[in-house]
Formats: sequence, C-alpha cells, structure tokens
Amino acid sequence: KNEVEQSPQNLTAQEGEFITINCSYSVGISALHWLQQHPGGGIVSLFMLSSGKKKHGRLIATINIQEKHSSLHITASHPRDSAVYICAVRPAYSGAGSYQLTFGKGTKLSVIP
Amino acid sequence: DGGITQSPKYLFRKEGQNVTLSCEQNLNHDAMYWYRQDPGQGLRLIYYSQIVNDFQKGDIAEGYSVSREKKESFPLTVTSAQKNPTAFYLCASSLAHSPHNEQFFGPGTRLTVL
Repeated sequence: KNEVEQSPQNLTAQEGEFITINCSYSVGISALHWLQQHPGGGIVSLFMLSSGKKKHGRLIATINIQEKHSSLHITASHPRDSAVYICAVRPAYSGAGSYQLTFGKGTKLSVIP
Repeated sequence: DGGITQSPKYLFRKEGQNVTLSCEQNLNHDAMYWYRQDPGQGLRLIYYSQIVNDFQKGDIAEGYSVSREKKESFPLTVTSAQKNPTAFYLCASSLAHSPHNEQFFGPGTRLTVL
C-alpha cells in the first residue's frame, strides 16, 4: 500500500523565515505534486515533479527519487503564505486506478507578522 | 475563464435525506474525480470517471453515487446510507492521458448533516 507521510504536521514561522516542508512516500512514483489549500478550502497546484528541482518565485520544490523524498521550501516567508500544503503522488504502476493520486495529510503553515 | 465550479459552497441537510453536489468543468478534461476531506486526514477518493457514461469506485464509495452523462458534469449524490456524511467535498478534473495526472480542483462544498 502506498503511504505518503508529511512533516511537520503544523508549522509556525515568523515573517521572513526560511521554511521547509517534507514529504516521504513508500512506492515508486511517476510524479509528485505539491498543492496549496487556503482557509476557504480551494486547492491550487504549486508544482508537479518527476525529478530534480523546480522554482517559482519564492517557492522551491525538490525531489530525490532514490530516497523517495521531496521537500517544499519557502524563502522570505510572508503571512499570505499561511495555508495547508499537501503532497500527493501518482504511483508508477499502470492499469486500473492509474489516474489516482495518494495524498498526504497536509502541513498547516502559519506565518506570523 | 476556464475552471471547475462547485455549488453550493455550504450545504445543510437533515439526517436521512439524499443530497446532490454539483461539479462542472469547462476545461475540456476527460477525467473527473470526487474527494472527501476530513480534519487531520488526507483527501480520499470517492469516485472517478475517465470518460462519459463510465465511472469507477474509489477508496470510500459506500453511501455515494455518481453519474457522468456529460463530459463537463460529474454530480455526486450523498445518500442516506452514508454513515458520516458531514465533510468537505472536492471535485477535480484532469486530462485523461496526462502522463503525470495533474489535477485541477474546484473550490469545494462543505456539507453539514444535522
């Protein structure tokens, strides 16, 4: 069974701090997604990774396929970054259910001014 | 603007009543999904559909039903058989042949059963 574990569960940071959220998974994957869920509930996709590193503004996502681990970094954090960050993976096996994603429980980030 | 709409945002129902949650997309995506989110848990897949007039059960399909009569619409009915229906429900869609299955999410419907 594919398990996706995120750490930490909750994170409080001062504005300007560098933040790291971690995601570990247990099976081979074809892609890993980082999602952001704001207090209203809507979810937006931040990154989709199959290898290496991606950067968008102050957000950086990395993945190590051999270690089955990904990190999401936020530089110069801001109160508007406060949200739940969710890691999701698509298993590498094909067949029925190949469209499915397995989700972590999320990391709740609060950035204090 | 292309996207996914879910309505209503908040829904209240009495115990024992069936309720239907709406999900519409104008992204021309073939695949659509329904997820349930409970506090402290990851999103769990209820049903998904890869093509019109076809759908498959996800991990927690009991007490739910869906239909896919049109490509752009994938309504979810929460039946009275669902033991604990109060939750946040998210609809998503993706291209059927997307190699990495990037999914686009709607704003969600919060269902409260009284």
